[in-house]
Formats: sequence, structure tokens, C-alpha cells
Amino acid sequence: DAGVTQSPTHLIKTRGQHVTLRCSPISGHKSVSWYQQVLGQGPQFIFQYYEKEERGRGNFPDRFSARQFPNYSSELNVNALLLGDSALYLCASSLAGALPYNEQFFGPGTRLTVL
Amino acid sequence: TQLLEQSPQFLSIQEGENLTVYCNSSSVFSSLQWYRQEPGEGPVLLVTVVTGGEVKKLKRLTFQFGDARKDSSLHITAAQPGDTGLYLCAGSSPDSGNTPLVFGKGTRLSVIA
Repeated sequence: DAGVTQSPTHLIKTRGQHVTLRCSPISGHKSVSWYQQVLGQGPQFIFQYYEKEERGRGNFPDRFSARQFPNYSSELNVNALLLGDSALYLCASSLAGALPYNEQFFGPGTRLTVL
Repeated sequence: TQLLEQSPQFLSIQEGENLTVYCNSSSVFSSLQWYRQEPGEGPVLLVTVVTGGEVKKLKRLTFQFGDARKDSSLHITAAQPGDTGLYLCAGSSPDSGNTPLVFGKGTRLSVIA
């Protein structure tokens, strides 16, 4: 079975540009979460979507937005990029609701570099 | 705000040695997960512990959830170079089983042959 897939693998942008990152969850998983991981830190929660609805939002500015599609895949959009947005962006999928606890499986990530 | 503190931050040991990594919080978690992450890759789930006092073993790795569900430990026996990586603990709030994970900053382990 395929795991969580993310695209692109790497991305280089300049300040002020916009970026779209994509994620496909594990088959059968209906929840997708996005995390930002800067060098030397643990992942920080950005968004959680379940059944196409936003279920949670972390402490990130409105430049960050996301959506989930009917096939449960998801996009993360970041506008007006800043140097500080350079990070590894991780997507995680989970069964959400099928288990009494939150067990998430991560994709390989998209490495975003803002110049 | 729930926080998870991991210690030590860095650990460098010789092949064959034993080690323990700690994950502590003042908050109660409904579950706690341990991940291992290689450079430039996503975290890979190692184990989920749910019940206070629970102990799980994965080959040479032993995971324990504290009785009060506020802390956890990971013990590696006879470490091997393949164990090198960033070990992350992450917890879920007891308010809802599906809230986002709170991560610690990780323990970077280096096992020298």
C-alpha cells in the first residue's frame, strides 16, 4: 500500500511569491494535517482537515491556508513568502474517528527554500 | 499550552551501548507517539502508547508511558549505527482523540561504529 505522498519534493522561491504544496493521504484515511518543521526543531502544527472541513488551526498567520478535496487529498498554500517560511513542510494522514487516539503517518515532506 | 520536553537534546554513543531518552510534560496526554526521523525525510512512527504504565517493545527498543500519562521514555539496548537519527515524541490532548500532535524538539542520536 502506498504511504502518504507529497509534491514537490523540493522547491525554491523568492520573497513575496506564492507556493502550493500537495499531499495525498493513505488510502482510507480521511484526515490530513500539515506541519512546519524548521531546522533543529520538532514539527509545528499548521492545519488539520477532516472530511473537507477545517478541524484545527495552529498559530500561523493568515498567509497560510489549506483545503481538502473530495478524494481527501489536500493543498497547503502560502502567500507573500518570507525568508522565515523556509522549512520542511510535512503532511500527515490519520483515520481520525476510527481510533480513540490520534495516530498520524507522515509523508516525506516538501523542502521549501525562500531566497 | 501543552509542551513536551525531550532530553537529552544530543547523544553520541559507541555501538553496543545502552541509552535512554526522556519525554516529559506537566500536561496529561491521551496518547503518546515516538517517531524516528532521518535528515530531509518525514518522521516514521515507531510506537503509540495509550495506557498509563504501558510498556511496549520493538526489537531492541523499549517504550514506557508514565503512570500519570505525563511522561514517556525510550530505551535502546545495544545500540547500532542504524539507530542513528532524530527521535521525536508527540502527544495528543485528552480533550479529543483527534487533536493535532504536540511535538518535542527531539533527541538527536548518533551511534558510532
